Formats: sequence, structure tokens, C-alpha cells
Amino acid sequence: QKEVEQNSGPLSVPEGAIASLNCTYSDRGSQSFFWYRQYSGKSPELIMSIYSNGDKEDGRFTAQLNKASQYVSLLIRDSQPSDSATYLCAVGNNAGNMLTFGGGTRLMVKP
Amino acid sequence: SQTIHQWPATLVQPVGSPLSLECTVEGTSNPNLYWYRQAAGRGLQLLFYSVGIGQISSEVPQNLSASRPQDRQFILSSKKLLLSDSGFYLCAWQGLYNSPLHFGNGTRLTVT
Repeated sequence: QKEVEQNSGPLSVPEGAIASLNCTYSDRGSQSFFWYRQYSGKSPELIMSIYSNGDKEDGRFTAQLNKASQYVSLLIRDSQPSDSATYLCAVGNNAGNMLTFGGGTRLMVKP
Repeated sequence: SQTIHQWPATLVQPVGSPLSLECTVEGTSNPNLYWYRQAAGRGLQLLFYSVGIGQISSEVPQNLSASRPQDRQFILSSKKLLLSDSGFYLCAWQGLYNSPLHFGNGTRLTVT
């Protein structure tokens, strides 16, 4: 059973702080890793993709991947109240045609 | 650009009634298509996926079924709904392998 684990939270950070979201996965053959943001009552929207070890930055978001430790993280700099949402980690299978989602971490950014 | 349409947005159905949810994708050919369900406050559960017309794989045994009558059309059905079928149903598409999934706006189904 391939698993993707996330702390359910809520993770509460003050406005302007860095939010750090973590995810571990069990399938060592995984090649693709994604972070989705899901606002309450809405569908998930893709915010980051990462395929190689190291960091990938896009605006205020930085995704970090460590395949040896089977660990993916998402950093949100200068957190805003509008960032308050549930963040889903998704890991692709070896064939690249299936994503396993974690249960999500609820982030609350307080003004 | 690619877009995905999913309807209806909300649905209230009595127990034992049939169900048909439809999803269509525009702007891409031969996408992988997926149906997920999300119970309230829970994660995403993969129900069905399809790599081509008429090719359906089921991940969870249940009273739901899926069909792909056309390349960019994916339909989720049930002959008789159960209370436990309530949830947020999401259709998604994938282009190239190892690329991300892109979700429709979802259908919120309440079975009463």
C-alpha cells in the first residue's frame, strides 16, 4: 500500500511568517511530486511540481525534495491570510499515471 | 489551453435513486481521466481511472461505475445511491505521464 503522510494540522502562522508544510511517502519508485492548494468547498489547484532533488522556487513558494529521505516539503514565505487553505501533497507512482494524495495539512494564517 | 468541465455543481438525491455525473475535457487529446471522491474533512479517494476510450480501472469496489464513451468524456454512474455515496466528486485529467492532474470544479452530492 503506497502511502503519503501529512500532518493534518491546523498549522497556524502569523501573517508575514514562513509556513512550512511537510510530507513523507513510502514508494521509493516515485518520480513526480506535487503540491495542491484546496480552499474550503473548492477543488484542488496545482501550485508546485517538483521532480528532482533539491529546491524549486516559484514566487513565494519553494518546494523541497529529498528522495533518499522520501520527504517533500513546501515553504510559503510572507504568508498571507489568503494562503489559509488545506495543502495536499501528491506523489506519482513509478509509471507516472497515478497520484497518491496525502490527507492534507490545514494552514491558518492569522492577520 | 486545456479546460475541464464537470456538472452539475451540486446534487441532492434520495437513497436508491440513480446517478450520472459527467466530465469533459477540451484542448487535449487522449488524456488520462480520473474520478475521485472526497468525504467531508477527508482526503482524496481514487475511484476510477481511464487511459483510453472504453478502458476503465476501478480502485475501490462499490456501487459506482464509470464509462468513457469518447476520448474526452468521462461519466460516473450508479444504479442505486447509498447514504455513504455522499461526498465531493472530482474529475481530473492528466496529459503526459508524470505530469500533474488538473481538476474540475467538482460536484457536491448529498444523498438523503
